[in-house]
Amino acid sequence: GEDVEQSLFLSVREGDSSVINCTYTDSSSTYLYWYKQEPGAGLQLLTYIFSNMDMKQDQRLTVLLNKKDKHLSLRIADTQTGDSAIYFCAEIGYSTSNTGKLIFGQGTTLQVKP
Amino acid sequence: ETGVTQTPRHLVMGMTNKKSLKCEQHLGHNAMYWYKQSAKKPLELMFVYNFKEQTENNSVPSRFSPECPNSSHLFLHLHTLQPEDSALYLCASSQDLGTEAFFGQGTRLTVV
Repeated sequence: GEDVEQSLFLSVREGDSSVINCTYTDSSSTYLYWYKQEPGAGLQLLTYIFSNMDMKQDQRLTVLLNKKDKHLSLRIADTQTGDSAIYFCAEIGYSTSNTGKLIFGQGTTLQVKP
Repeated sequence: ETGVTQTPRHLVMGMTNKKSLKCEQHLGHNAMYWYKQSAKKPLELMFVYNFKEQTENNSVPSRFSPECPNSSHLFLHLHTLQPEDSALYLCASSQDLGTEAFFGQGTRLTVV
């Protein structure tokens, strides 16, 4: 079945770049997403990339997609303390069903030290 | 503010109680979802509704009963829950199945 894997924890210093990695198994994925969850809140859609792209930049965020290796990354430039949150990678694939359901990774907790 | 509103934000209930979680969206979306988020576990998709019809039930115990009276509202009725059901319950909606989902703030449920 579909599976999405992320490392659980990343710690960086304020001002550094953060890179959060994700691997997925469904080669039929159409869209891949990054969501952010701040403490006590729901998930907020940060950005997404279509599977025929290999890079997308949106202000401080850069998404890289290596479709051959099924690897997705989110780079946050000039990381701020307000970026501390849990980041979820998610894919929509259709390999096992037609419901187009969103499959989430376990989430990466990003800790930004002043 | 994502346009998806969940109430209540926090709920404490006993194992013999009956309560309901409510989700509302006025984004004109056709699909709505319930997810369960427990500590140290991946987000679990519980139910999917598309145009008010349930399209997915991921082997959820019958003590959780969803209801979707229209495309804008989704309920999760709870009865005789167990302490291990304590979690953050997230509602989401999307324009259609397979498009990006927008989440509510969640209901933090504690079963005592």
